[in-house]
Amino acid sequence: DAGVTQSPTHLIKTRGQQVTLRCSPKSGHDTVSWYQQALGQGPQFIFQYYEEEERQRGNFPDRFSGHQFPNYSSELNVNALLLGDSALYLCASTFLPTGANVLTFGAGSRLTVL
Amino acid sequence: QQQVKQSPQSLIVQKGGISIINCAYENTAFDYFPWYQQFPGKGPALLIAIRPDVSEKKEGRFTISFNKSAKQFSLHIMDSQPGDSATYFCAATARNFGNEKLTFGTGTRLTIIP
Repeated sequence: DAGVTQSPTHLIKTRGQQVTLRCSPKSGHDTVSWYQQALGQGPQFIFQYYEEEERQRGNFPDRFSGHQFPNYSSELNVNALLLGDSALYLCASTFLPTGANVLTFGAGSRLTVL
Repeated sequence: QQQVKQSPQSLIVQKGGISIINCAYENTAFDYFPWYQQFPGKGPALLIAIRPDVSEKKEGRFTISFNKSAKQFSLHIMDSQPGDSATYFCAATARNFGNEKLTFGTGTRLTIIP
């Protein structure tokens, strides 16, 4: 049973560019959350998607946007990249209707902005 | 009020010893407190979690102690092994439908030495 898969695993961009990160949730999961983990820090919540809608959002600017597809997979888009956007971006999934709080995380996409 | 404070930042313990990591929170709406373990190059993985209606939960060598009045909780790893060397994050959330947002601590890098 595949867990949460993310792509790409590593990427390098320059300031001002745009990036799209992709996530496939664990089989049976319908909710996807995105977290940003700066080096040496704990993950910070970006937003959550359920039923193809953004349900919750953390304290991130509008440059961060997302999407969830009918197959529950998700994309995270970041526009106008800044050096401070360099981080590990983690996708986490869960099955919401059961009320479970167990998030399954992927290995992340490491973004470096030069 | 959304912060979760974690200490120490790093910890070195001899094999067979007890590792103790502490966390404190402010938001009294938090009602679920998981601990995540993260190995280099991997996403965080749920280790153990507790709800505030109990003061202690034990799973194998891992124990969470919870003090609701002090708004503190801690992770104890008994008989620490080299394979336990990882970064540990405490987290908290206020559970309700559609809310799977976790607020993470800043992490503790644990090293178990032979």
